[in-house]
Amino acid sequence: GAGVSQSPRYKVAKRGQDVALRCDPISGHVSLFWYQQALGQGPEFLTYFQNEAQLDKSGLPSDRFFAERPEGSVSTLKIQRTQQEDSAVYLCASSSETGLATEAFFGQGTRLTVV
Amino acid sequence: KQEVTQIPAALSVPEGENLVLNCSFTDSAIYNLQWFRQDPGKGLTSLLLIQSSQREQTSGRLNASLDKSSGRSTLYIAASQPGDSATYLCAVADMGRRALTFGSGTRLQVQP
Repeated sequence: GAGVSQSPRYKVAKRGQDVALRCDPISGHVSLFWYQQALGQGPEFLTYFQNEAQLDKSGLPSDRFFAERPEGSVSTLKIQRTQQEDSAVYLCASSSETGLATEAFFGQGTRLTVV
Repeated sequence: KQEVTQIPAALSVPEGENLVLNCSFTDSAIYNLQWFRQDPGKGLTSLLLIQSSQREQTSGRLNASLDKSSGRSTLYIAASQPGDSATYLCAVADMGRRALTFGSGTRLQVQP
């Protein structure tokens, strides 16, 4: 596609509910990143994939957070037993190269509200 | 651990003014630095990317400079317009790590 696509755009979850957020990167992009952005803050890194391999998950805040990219294209970020502090915008980004860091392209984000 | 700071946190200027946004980072071992724009409720739009070997990049009314040794970057916006109103984010890509480290942003309002 023309850009990074994320769905849903908005998600309201009851505390304790599981959610799944989808990211469709730019076609052919090898690298895929997930970030979490709290209100009024810059995005914070969650995890990074190179094709289907999850090479860095150091930013995942707890074991309730899980990400996958089984075929090296679409990725899903899953949050189990959601809590109020999980409320944030979740941003997905992709880039074309695996060598020196190159330009990252971001999706519109999914705004998660846990009530 | 890399830390990125942006000053000021918010800025309001009349239309037509030239302005400078500042970004500083604590670890100078970076691959590149990227400036983004974020409109309310939207994702990030890449404005300029400066590789570590470069000193500046220009795109239209925007000019970004990088002084890696001192850990500083500036984004210069010439002849500001109301359409420039947005949050501007600075992010660095550290050596040996793919992820970007972001500042908290500068919220810019250009008044007509």
